[in-house]
Amino acid sequence: GENVEQHPSTLSVQEGDSAVIKCTYSDSASNYFPWYKQELGKRPQLIIDIRSNVGEKKDQRIAVTLNKTAKHFSLHITETQPEDSAVYFCASAGSYQLTFGKGTKLSVIP
Amino acid sequence: DARVTQTPRHKVTEMGQEVTMRCQPILGHNTVFWYRQTMMQGLELLAYFRNRAPLDDSGMPKDRFSAEMPDATLATLKIQPSEPRDSAVYFCASGPGASYEQYFGPGTRLTVT
Repeated sequence: GENVEQHPSTLSVQEGDSAVIKCTYSDSASNYFPWYKQELGKRPQLIIDIRSNVGEKKDQRIAVTLNKTAKHFSLHITETQPEDSAVYFCASAGSYQLTFGKGTKLSVIP
Repeated sequence: DARVTQTPRHKVTEMGQEVTMRCQPILGHNTVFWYRQTMMQGLELLAYFRNRAPLDDSGMPKDRFSAEMPDATLATLKIQPSEPRDSAVYFCASGPGASYEQYFGPGTRLTVT
């Protein structure tokens, strides 16, 4: 089955700096790659996703890049703010079933 | 703003008791997923449905867990008998089916003593 590795497991950045979270996947048939943000005690929220026919996608301060050849994708957050502090999960899917990474706890220091 | 709803939000029960968790997917969504989240294992898929039919429940302990969709507006996850190791947050998610997007409910925090 699919295996998704996510790094780093924790990340601390100063407010205003950029944050990058990276994931690798194993199944070359995977073609959908979402990112979820989960605040403490809350539900995972879909913040951005990318499909295999696209190399990069942006939405305001967040962007995702995909390298299908290398089987890795990354989340980039620019101009980080304290409200960006949360656990971020990557996932991949080749069908309706998502396989999640273990999560990255991002702390933005004011 | 349509959202997935789940009940109860919190449940504390004693080992051996039956637990039923309910989920109302977003209206019009035809895929429904049950996940379990723990610190050690992260987010694990337990089961999922498409058009109310179970497609995969290989993530569930079959002897004690069961998942059903009695109708398009209700999905249930039952544990009988419950054990302390079942303590976790259980999330339901739904998706439109035409794409792979999934939207999560608020979760049920289960504690089995």
